[in-house]
Amino acid sequence: GAVVSQHPSRVICKSGTSVKIECRSLDFQATTMFWYRQFPKQSLMLMATSNEGSKATYEQGVEKDKFLINHASLTLSTLTVTSAHPEDSSFYICSARYSGETQYFGPGTRLLVL
Amino acid sequence: QKEVEQNSGPLSVPEGAIASLNCTYSDRGSQSFFWYRQYSGKSPELIMFIYSNGDKEDGRFTAQLNKASQYVSLLIRDSQPSDSATYLCAVRDTNAGKSTFGDGTTLTVKP
Repeated sequence: GAVVSQHPSRVICKSGTSVKIECRSLDFQATTMFWYRQFPKQSLMLMATSNEGSKATYEQGVEKDKFLINHASLTLSTLTVTSAHPEDSSFYICSARYSGETQYFGPGTRLLVL
Repeated sequence: QKEVEQNSGPLSVPEGAIASLNCTYSDRGSQSFFWYRQYSGKSPELIMFIYSNGDKEDGRFTAQLNKASQYVSLLIRDSQPSDSATYLCAVRDTNAGKSTFGDGTTLTVKP
């Protein structure tokens, strides 16, 4: 079946630093990738949708300059949390879609900003 | 009022029973409707999507959509303990570029 990986699975960083999270579709080409954020005991929040080779479409209220998304190839999208602060600590999840509406989720990345 | 509302639960059903999960939404421009399953500590898994009014069946799962009443439901037949998870309802208004998730309903299937 379709597999989506994320790296790293966990990251701890100091406040003010930038963190890059990678999302890869391992056995299929993903025309569209999605980035979500989920706080403990809360629901998913879609942050942005990225299509290969074009700029990401951000959801209302998501800061484009804070969360940089690059979808340079059909198998890789990256999310960079710039100048991270403790309130950015969350569970970041990507998903990839290659046909229809079926989305395959990555395992998620837990970010802790000290 | 939340834009997508789900009963938080927990909803408890015995093994073999039908579990019924409900979701209401406020944005009449919503065009796509999704159900995800999320096990504790794991990322979500898309289990159903529906665009048109009526029922859509996939194995033990049936999604029901009623746009006039602004609700979407998920029925799980022959519930199994492995179905115990949090079920997230999501709606998308493509024109507005907006996707909204409910807070989820926790389902427990007791053996």
